[in-house]
Amino acid sequence: DVKVTQSSRYLVKRTGEKVFLECVQDMDHENMFWYRQDPGLGLRLIYFSYDVKMKEKGDIPEGYSVSREKKERFSLILESASTNQTSMYLCASMGSGAKYSLHFGNGTRLTVT
Amino acid sequence: EDKVVQSPLSLVVHEGDTVTLNCSYEVTNFRSLLWYKQEKKAPTFLFMLTSSGIEKKSGRLSSILDKKELFSILNITATQTGDSAIYLCAVEALNNNDMRFGAGTRLTVKP
Repeated sequence: DVKVTQSSRYLVKRTGEKVFLECVQDMDHENMFWYRQDPGLGLRLIYFSYDVKMKEKGDIPEGYSVSREKKERFSLILESASTNQTSMYLCASMGSGAKYSLHFGNGTRLTVT
Repeated sequence: EDKVVQSPLSLVVHEGDTVTLNCSYEVTNFRSLLWYKQEKKAPTFLFMLTSSGIEKKSGRLSSILDKKELFSILNITATQTGDSAIYLCAVEALNNNDMRFGAGTRLTVKP
């Protein structure tokens, strides 16, 4: 079974802090994704990466950056956290090829005060 | 423990067929149920359902929620090869804003 692990389940940060959300997958997947999930808005794609050191903006990249230095790890960075970034953050990975299965981590609930 | 179960896991049909995908759930303090279509890149949002018995439609796709029996169905009529994808069901809870995903139904539409 694919395992996608997010380093923190709950995180509380102050406005202006730099925040790192880490995600690791163990199936050698090329593609990794960061989403945020907010009540009534569903799942929104922030950034995704299709290979090491490659990244593409999703639908709501403003205020975020990402890092993919190793294939198994995809980090989401909030350079200067703001209260409107309080949300549930979901990481996912997906292999290339015909199967297109997306595997999600358990999520990180970030609260910015 | 909260859970979301989709069925079938896999389905193969021919163009023009109608399909029904199922999603049952057990979630404390239910807020909403969402359907997504997932192809090569990232899931595409289809529907959000919060009230029982109200059908939502978008072209050939429609969905309805039954909060008493705790399930939802996604219907696709006159299927096309472009409908081939994995369809994900997810449920949101009120108390902690978590979203729990089902395993998905892989739909293959053959010409």
